[in-house]
Amino acid sequence: KQEVTQIPAALSVPEGENLVLNCSFTDSAIYNLQWFRQDPGKGLTSLLLIQSSQREQTSGRLNASLDKSSGRSTLYIAASQPGDSATYLCAVCGSARQLTFGSGTQLTVLP
Amino acid sequence: ETGVTQSPTHLIKTRGQQVTLRCSSQSGHNTVSWYQQALGQGPQFIFQYYREEENGRGNFPPRFSGLQFPNYSSELNVNALELDDSALYLCASSLDEGGSNYGYTFGSGTRLTVV
Repeated sequence: KQEVTQIPAALSVPEGENLVLNCSFTDSAIYNLQWFRQDPGKGLTSLLLIQSSQREQTSGRLNASLDKSSGRSTLYIAASQPGDSATYLCAVCGSARQLTFGSGTQLTVLP
Repeated sequence: ETGVTQSPTHLIKTRGQQVTLRCSSQSGHNTVSWYQQALGQGPQFIFQYYREEENGRGNFPPRFSGLQFPNYSSELNVNALELDDSALYLCASSLDEGGSNYGYTFGSGTRLTVV
């Protein structure tokens, strides 16, 4: 059974800092890994999708890496802004073609 | 191009009642999945439909059931509601079977409160 863990559970940083969010998964037989953002009480917004054959994906200030063999992914956020404050969720699409989520990292960027 | 839309946005039901939640998938998407998200937790997979057939189910009891229609919209039905069913219910759609190539697009969710 796939298990996804996200560390840390919560993070508070001053504006302008670069930061890294971590995601680990137990079964490396995945199709892809997706990072989402969730604002309080809202749905999920897809940030980056990394296929199992890829090592990283970039979008603006966001960069996500994937090391399938070690079961790890990181989301790097450059020059953080207060508007980045949200919960960030990592999800893997496994052999059953369904998403397994971590519990998320709640990020607060202080002005 | 419209995204995934869910209705209603909020709902309050009494324990023991039945509820139907609705989802319109993004245009061209033939896979629809439903997730339950309790407060402070990550979403949990309920079930998935691909071209009107259920092709995956999570660890949820049979009182959770669903449908996918020919236009690929979907319904989630929950019978005999329990207090623990209170959660945010998320619908997601994908362009390919199971999101293996294109990933998933999520709706804004339906907040269900059971009292």
